[in-house]
Amino acid sequence: KQEVTQIPAALSVPEGENLVLNCSFTDSAIYNLQWFRQDPGKGLTSLLLIQSSQREQTSGRLNASLDKSSGRSTLYIAASQPGDSATYLCAVLPVSSGSARQLTFGSGTQLTVLP
Amino acid sequence: NAGVTQTPKFRVLKTGQSMTLLCAQDMNHEYMYWYRQDPGMGLRLIHYSVGEGTTAKGEVPDGYNVSRLKKQNFLLGLESAAPSQTSVYFCASSPRTRLYEQYFGPGTRLTVT
Repeated sequence: KQEVTQIPAALSVPEGENLVLNCSFTDSAIYNLQWFRQDPGKGLTSLLLIQSSQREQTSGRLNASLDKSSGRSTLYIAASQPGDSATYLCAVLPVSSGSARQLTFGSGTQLTVLP
Repeated sequence: NAGVTQTPKFRVLKTGQSMTLLCAQDMNHEYMYWYRQDPGMGLRLIHYSVGEGTTAKGEVPDGYNVSRLKKQNFLLGLESAAPSQTSVYFCASSPRTRLYEQYFGPGTRLTVT
């Protein structure tokens, strides 16, 4: 069974710092990996999606990498801002998900960027 | 275009009471999902639907029932609520041609006392 782990569970950094969030998964047979942002009281917003054949994706100050063979992904946030404070969730779409196309989520990293 | 909406946003139930959570999407998506999110855990799939009139069990279906009578609506029912069902419930939808794109609703925070 696919398992997704995110470390650390919480992270606090001063504004302007570059930071890396980590995600690991146990089964490398995936279609893709996504990074989501979750704000308190709101739903999830997809930030970046990396297909299994890709190594990285970039959007603005965000860069996500994927090493499928080692079961790891990182989300790099450059020049962090207080507005980046949120919970960041990693999710994979396993090949084994069948017709459900069920995403398997990590438990998230709660990021606080201090002004 | 409202996207995915959920009703209600908050609810407190007593053990044994029943309720229905409503999810609605206006994007004409075929696939719809119900997840629950508990502290320290990722989202877990309760039930899903691949089209109008069809539903299937996810990872944690016990204690819940669902119905998809209309394409745009997906209902999640709790027949006899238990404290273990205290959670935040999220609905999501996907277009059949791009199943990796899941659009999430804002969530329903349910407390069962």
